[in-house]
Amino acid sequence: QQPVQSPQAVILREGEDAVINCSSSKALYSVHWYRQKHGEAPVFLMILLKGGEQKGHEKISASFNEKKQQSSLYLTASQLSYSGTYFCGTGSPNTGNQFYFGTGTSLTVIP
Amino acid sequence: DSGVTQTPKHLITATGQRVTLRCSPRSGDLSVYWYQQSLDQGLQFLIQYYNGEERAKGNILERFSAQQFPDLHSELNLSSLELGDSALYFCASSASPGTGSEAFFGQGTRLTVV
Repeated sequence: QQPVQSPQAVILREGEDAVINCSSSKALYSVHWYRQKHGEAPVFLMILLKGGEQKGHEKISASFNEKKQQSSLYLTASQLSYSGTYFCGTGSPNTGNQFYFGTGTSLTVIP
Repeated sequence: DSGVTQTPKHLITATGQRVTLRCSPRSGDLSVYWYQQSLDQGLQFLIQYYNGEERAKGNILERFSAQQFPDLHSELNLSSLELGDSALYFCASSASPGTGSEAFFGQGTRLTVV
């Protein structure tokens, strides 16, 4: 039931781009994206509610492919502050209101 | 500051003991989620309450229980504690009963079982 994220870890230099993928084995109603710094609480980035929906937040955007049961998070021109672990969270009509977070992607941005 | 308050921040206790973790949701949020995060692991969904009623259950052990009170604060009770229960426990709140609105996380309670 837990969504699978890829890659597990990525190291970027400042200014480089990255894509983080989130795949579920179940039909999805919504996809959330969060970033967590070590030892801190996850912080909400964005939510996608409809298949095909895309959202942007400064240089971070995401897409949601309902048919493929997938979402992708795009980070462009990465900054040092983007470092952290990114989690997708998914809600599925097949699992009631259970809300599962993905396996996580560790992103490290270096100067 | 997310507006979600968790107490205590840290808790050290012995195996076999029982503890209670407390969560006050953001003002106006009726939904509370509990998650467990073991060292360098992901967030495991435990349970969700909405307006006092249990709404969804995840991978919660029988030794664990939770409730949401009329003032909407929630408590997670962990009993017969084992070393493996050591983890960060987060609660999150959201406005809706489903998964269509963002969740705001508290700073977590770090539980250490010795």
